Amino acid sequence: GEDVEQSLFLSVREGDSSVINCTYTDSSSTYLYWYKQEPGAGLQLLTYIFSNMDMKQDQRLTVLLNKKDKHLSLRIADTQTGDSAIYFCALDTSGTYKYIFGTGTRLKVLA
Amino acid sequence: DGGITQSPKYLFRKEGQNVTLSCEQNLNHDAMYWYRQDPGQGLRLIYYSQIVNDFQKGDIAEGYSVSREKKESFPLTVTSAQKNPTAFYLCASSGWGAGATNEKLFFGSGTQLSVL
Repeated sequence: GEDVEQSLFLSVREGDSSVINCTYTDSSSTYLYWYKQEPGAGLQLLTYIFSNMDMKQDQRLTVLLNKKDKHLSLRIADTQTGDSAIYFCALDTSGTYKYIFGTGTRLKVLA
Repeated sequence: DGGITQSPKYLFRKEGQNVTLSCEQNLNHDAMYWYRQDPGQGLRLIYYSQIVNDFQKGDIAEGYSVSREKKESFPLTVTSAQKNPTAFYLCASSGWGAGATNEKLFFGSGTQLSVL
């Protein structure tokens, strides 16, 4: 089945850029997503990218997709303390209604 | 405002007891989902429903049951057969339907279930 991997932790200083990485095994997804989860809350959609694109920019967020290497990344520019959260990558699964989630990366922003 | 409402926020289960988690959405979405989240792990799919009166097992359906009698509602029952029910449960919905090509998942705020 589909396997989606993320590093568990990332720590950055306020004002620096953060890069959160995601690798996956199945290349049949149409869209790939990034979600943010704050403590005790549900997941909030941050951004997404169509599988035929290799980059998408949305204000402080930049998504890079390398289909050849099956690698997705989320770059957060000028990281703020409010960005501290868990970040999940997710993929839709072609031909089904299901989504596959990564293990989540806990981002800690140091003041 | 449109959204997904989960209740209660916190729930406690006694040994041998069945408990039901509520999920209601007013987004007019066809598909609804239940996920379980354990610390340090990703989301695991319990059940999902594409349409009223129909639902499918996800990856960890054992010990859980669902119903989908109305489009807006998708309650999850954690039965006494689920031996390790302590987790954070998330309900989600998406607008999958004929012709849909990108239907994002929208999440409720979650229910924390603990065993007494």
